[in-house]
Amino acid sequence: GAGVSQTPSNKVTEKGKYVELRCDPISGHTALYWYRQSLGQGPEFLIYFQGTGAADDSGLPNDRFFAVRPEGSVSTLKIQRTERGDSAVYLCASSLSVMETQYFGPGTRLLVL
Amino acid sequence: SQKIEQNSEALNIQEGKTATLTCNYTNYSPAYLQWYRQDPGRGPVFLLLIRENEKEKRKERLKVTFDTTLKQSLFHITASQPADSATYLCALPTDAGNNRKLIWGLGTSLAVNP
Repeated sequence: GAGVSQTPSNKVTEKGKYVELRCDPISGHTALYWYRQSLGQGPEFLIYFQGTGAADDSGLPNDRFFAVRPEGSVSTLKIQRTERGDSAVYLCASSLSVMETQYFGPGTRLLVL
Repeated sequence: SQKIEQNSEALNIQEGKTATLTCNYTNYSPAYLQWYRQDPGRGPVFLLLIRENEKEKRKERLKVTFDTTLKQSLFHITASQPADSATYLCALPTDAGNNRKLIWGLGTSLAVNP
């Protein structure tokens, strides 16, 4: 079946703007994760959903970042008042349940000018 | 808190040789440790998971070891091929008792030369 998909693949925006990044997990996967990866770094945990609820959002850097998963499937990561330091690749992963293997999408490359 | 150290320098080896990559952690021994492969412009792809009570795990040409005394995992690719060229990341649970949130190493870049 289809893997994890993320849209858009690339996003260029200006400082101060609002962006939304979308993640479509593998069908049937109840756990969904968001990570951020800067060049030359490993992924950095942001938030994890189990079903519709955010089970752990301790990795969100500040209150400009917010994520939702209203129906327990698709998730949207929202960033308000973007800053140049937000530029990175935002990765989404899903798994059948917590503790199972995580399958990653290709990521959204965000560039804030 | 837990920290992960991976070889920061790129590893260049000749096709057919065995590549060995290192992952060291600094604090408590995790319940498990995972290895992923990442190609440029792609998300990480899961390769192997080894649990704290396992010393070694194999999958085709891949072998992972886990030494809780040394606080180290080694990742081996035998009979390496140019197609094995990628960045290899290790990941483990952030805190003892929280097995859902992973922290990741910086990754080691492997180049297999034909």
